[in-house]
Amino acid sequence: ELKVEQNPLFLSMQEGKNYTIYCNYSTTSDRLYWYRQDPGKSLESLFVLLSNGAVKQEGRLMASLDTKARLSTLHITAAVHDLSATYFCAVDGDNTDKLIFGTGTRLQVFP
Amino acid sequence: EAGVTQFPSHSVIEKGQTVTLRCDPISGHDNLYWYRRVMGKEIKFLLHFVKESKQDESGMPNNRFLAERTGGTYSTLKVQPAELEDSGVYFCASSQVRARQYFGPGTRLTVT
Repeated sequence: ELKVEQNPLFLSMQEGKNYTIYCNYSTTSDRLYWYRQDPGKSLESLFVLLSNGAVKQEGRLMASLDTKARLSTLHITAAVHDLSATYFCAVDGDNTDKLIFGTGTRLQVFP
Repeated sequence: EAGVTQFPSHSVIEKGQTVTLRCDPISGHDNLYWYRRVMGKEIKFLLHFVKESKQDESGMPNNRFLAERTGGTYSTLKVQPAELEDSGVYFCASSQVRARQYFGPGTRLTVT
């Protein structure tokens, strides 16, 4: 069974601090996605990682992919309150178009 | 450009009743997907349409769920009869060929 595991499930962090969210997956997927969801809103696409060693950055968020370890990380630098949301990673399911999601990481940034 | 829209945003029904959820994909997107998130768990795939055809319905939990996409535009997902365990958030997404999926805001379904 294809599995995607995220940790931590919940993260409470102070503004200005750095932290990393981890995403492990069991399939030989060639694409990994990071999404952000604000309460009651759509899942917003943050990053699509397509190859081993891929690194993408947008503002205070940086995502990387290690396909050999089947691991992706989402690093948060100098967190601000606006980053509070739930973050999901997902992979393509075994040569299909369906996405296999992790459980999500609920991030709260406080002053 | 309008994003993926879903209706209703919330629905509260009693066990045994019927509910129909609607999804309007981004114009021009042939691929349409349904997912759901139950009780704060992971988001799980339900099915995938390519135009009006069901490409993959391996995630549909049972025959109480019926999805349609007549004409290859909007899609409906009917739950009949609804059970308590069907409560959750139902997401719709659309995409062009094998590309990033764009998600709607979801429909929160509560079965009491």
